[in-house]
Amino acid sequence: DQQVKQNSPSLSVQEGRISILNCDYTNSMFDYFLWYKKYPAEGPTFLISISSIKDKNEDGRFTVFLNKSAKHLSLHIVPSQPGDSAVYFCAASFSNSGNTPLVFGKGTRLSVIA
Amino acid sequence: DTGVSQDPRHKITKRGQNVTFRCDPISEHNRLYWYRQTLGQGPEFLTYFQNEAQLEKSRLLSDRFSAERPKGSFSTLEIQRTEQGDSAMYLCASSSRLAGDQETQYFGPGTRLLVL
Repeated sequence: DQQVKQNSPSLSVQEGRISILNCDYTNSMFDYFLWYKKYPAEGPTFLISISSIKDKNEDGRFTVFLNKSAKHLSLHIVPSQPGDSAVYFCAASFSNSGNTPLVFGKGTRLSVIA
Repeated sequence: DTGVSQDPRHKITKRGQNVTFRCDPISEHNRLYWYRQTLGQGPEFLTYFQNEAQLEKSRLLSDRFSAERPKGSFSTLEIQRTEQGDSAMYLCASSSRLAGDQETQYFGPGTRLLVL
């Protein structure tokens, strides 16, 4: 039973356009969500996060939206650049309860085409 | 570079051998996590420490796995009697939990283990 799901294994986007990566979760007790980017043979790099008390968080080209009623979050990258090509992982935790190990989705491979 | 470091980056071993990996967290971080990632999957939690105390272990952490963080700084993960199913990327992450703040984990580059 996967608690965090990324249903699109891959996504291709033209350079300069918007990339939208989606993530669904099943446990309504998750209260903190993070996105990580991973290049081959490297560890995940933290991108952006959002607390369950918010519905949007923005950092430069990256924006995360959270829809708690739908148990859905998305990462928007605009404009997309070739260097954004990587695997993106969505992760969730029960941070406020002190139970902080992250639960990850399987990832979405983003390819930005020049 | 003050990020999380892991050693070795790659390890090839024969089935039945023991292996040990090391993780050095970001210096002011009091929490240290171990995860395992296999092909096509996201990282899966193994265990974590707050300072030197091991607070939680996943059911994925069989009796052959042991982790330590003796002085609350670096940590080691040992796998005894390795099996081919242990082949994976082993990731370490660290964080600093401050009261009232959310906790963000920062990952090291990982140790890729191949068991022949």
